[in-house]
Amino acid sequence: AQSVAQPEDQVNVAEGNPLTVKCTYSVSGNPYLFWYVQYPNRGLQFLLKYITGDNLVKGSYGFEAEFNKSQTSFHLKKPSALVSDSALYFCAVRGGSYIPTFGRGTSLIVHP
Amino acid sequence: EAQVTQNPRYLITVTGKKLTVTCSQNMNHEYMSWYRQDPGLGLRQIYYSMNVEVTDKGDVPEGYKVSRKEKRNFPLILESPSPNQTSLYFCASSSNLRGSSTEAFFGQGTRLTVV
Repeated sequence: AQSVAQPEDQVNVAEGNPLTVKCTYSVSGNPYLFWYVQYPNRGLQFLLKYITGDNLVKGSYGFEAEFNKSQTSFHLKKPSALVSDSALYFCAVRGGSYIPTFGRGTSLIVHP
Repeated sequence: EAQVTQNPRYLITVTGKKLTVTCSQNMNHEYMSWYRQDPGLGLRQIYYSMNVEVTDKGDVPEGYKVSRKEKRNFPLILESPSPNQTSLYFCASSSNLRGSSTEAFFGQGTRLTVV
């Protein structure tokens, strides 16, 4: 069975500082990995994905994520956080079944 | 514009009164799914469908029904809603063709309150 772990319920960071939201996964075969963002009263929006190729993936709004196969991780990063980045972030994995599994979400709070 | 449309966005109903939440997608996706989102519990999958006339239970199917008569539509049915089904519901779709790498597209959500 595939699974996703987001070990932090909440991440706090000051505006202008770098941010990291952690994600580890377990899946059979090659993983398809995704990050989504949810703003209040909205549905989830796609940020970025890793399918194959370069381990560093760039996505929307200046976010990037690094795929690490040996550590089975796919951490979300941004060099300089904005207050407007404050939201709920979900990591997801798809394996051979093509059915995605989502993490429980991490609330990112960026302080002015 | 590629989108998943859910209706209604907000619904307050009484215990036991049957209701349907509709979901429609315009991307010709094979895979569709329903989730509920509750504080501290993340997204939990209710039902999913790999294609027309193919549906299966997710993690929390009790009290819910679905149907997939057409590719674009995947309604969620609560035959006899109870207060513990008060939640925020999301429909999602994606392609599950072999080799496809599409992300999931989500609807805007339906906030259901059962009193």
